[in-house]
Amino acid sequence: GAGVSQSPSNKVTEKGKDVELRCDPISGHTALYWYRQRLGQGLEFLIYFQGNSAPDKSGLPSDRFSAERTGESVSTLTIQRTQQEDSAVYLCASSSEPGQGSGELFFGEGSRLTVL
Amino acid sequence: GQNIDQPTEMTATEGAIVQINCTYQTSGFNGLFWYQQHAGEAPTFLSYNVLDGLEEKGRFSSFLSRSKGYSYLLLKELQMKDSASYLCAVRRYSSASKIIFGSGTRLSIRP
Repeated sequence: GAGVSQSPSNKVTEKGKDVELRCDPISGHTALYWYRQRLGQGLEFLIYFQGNSAPDKSGLPSDRFSAERTGESVSTLTIQRTQQEDSAVYLCASSSEPGQGSGELFFGEGSRLTVL
Repeated sequence: GQNIDQPTEMTATEGAIVQINCTYQTSGFNGLFWYQQHAGEAPTFLSYNVLDGLEEKGRFSSFLSRSKGYSYLLLKELQMKDSASYLCAVRRYSSASKIIFGSGTRLSIRP
């Protein structure tokens, strides 16, 4: 597709279960970001992938969170042993390389995670 | 690290003008973005400033002063559909040029 695609759009899980969220960026975009947005809050940076460089994981809140990206394509965000505080919308965004225009972010529609 | 501050909420009247301010502190500044986010939707790109000055795009303008660590988004001829959150975001120039967002300003437009 032409835009950033995320799945699932909605996920309800029980506390303690693992979840995997998927992001398919715009073709050709070298940069990929994951953000978390709690209800009524701003975007909290989680992790950033740029090409083949080591990812910037400085925003991951705990070792229960991890993310992978295959080359310059699909990324998965995994949350292990989910807690109720993990309930949020997880937004993925991709951009072309900085220097190629503004390098603005294009966002997916997000994955809404509810942990019961 | 980075610190990005913007007002939490603002209210304005339909047809009027509103200015949303954003101040930031960061090393290696490499651009500032404004995004609009309607409730329940993904953010959409509004503007980008990397040099000092004013960028105008229709009813929206964005200003940047790098020496002051300051930007504003100016919305003219406000419409009810402009009710949304406005997010200021800063990119750092480094080996990993990540983009960090402020907490956003929730703008309400009244008739």
